[in-house]
Amino acid sequence: AQSVTQPDIHITVSEGASLELRCNYSYGATPYLFWYVQSPGQGLQLLLKYFSGDTLVQGIKGFEAEFKRSQSSFNLRKPSVHWSDAAEYFCARPDQSGGSYIPTFGRGTSLIVHP
Amino acid sequence: ETGVTQTPRHLVMGMTNKKSLKCEQHLGHNAMYWYKQSAKKPLELMFVYSLEERVENNSVPSRFSPECPNSSHLFLHLHTLQPEDSALYLCASSQDFGDSGSPLHFGNGTRLTVT
Repeated sequence: AQSVTQPDIHITVSEGASLELRCNYSYGATPYLFWYVQSPGQGLQLLLKYFSGDTLVQGIKGFEAEFKRSQSSFNLRKPSVHWSDAAEYFCARPDQSGGSYIPTFGRGTSLIVHP
Repeated sequence: ETGVTQTPRHLVMGMTNKKSLKCEQHLGHNAMYWYKQSAKKPLELMFVYSLEERVENNSVPSRFSPECPNSSHLFLHLHTLQPEDSALYLCASSQDFGDSGSPLHFGNGTRLTVT
């Protein structure tokens, strides 16, 4: 079973509107969760990460994510989207393989921003 | 600015050619990764090196041959590829392999087209 699931392939929002991208995770040995962003023609860049403690995590570029154990979710949010936020967003977590952890990514959500 | 540099950015090769992709990281990390990113498919982990030793080979065909001469450099040697191997090849590094909390740092990728 996939370790992280991103149910939305595409999300379209208007510039200035709020944004929430969904990520659901399956039970694992570690609660570590990450969000990455991939702008066109570039590699992935870390937005934020959750390890433990405060369930609301602040990241770069005005993004935040909230860890909700009861819902097995780690959704990414931004209160006001800018046109430059148009990109592919990936949720990720380490999956245990043997005695180590392998970074595993969701399928990604493509964010389209309308002017 | 990225601490992980990949060359070339674009590569077109015939099925009988031999070429190599290069990755260099300036972050002092101990682990390096090759990922394949195809359209409409999740990121696929290909190989992982930790302290110059290959620790993961994710059932990758032998026409892909990795090489890690030192902890800063990673190569992917290509020969007799197939058109379905056309994809974006991403290199990444992390502080340590197997540490579930280490985020990945990605290069901008090599866009490979096999004709």
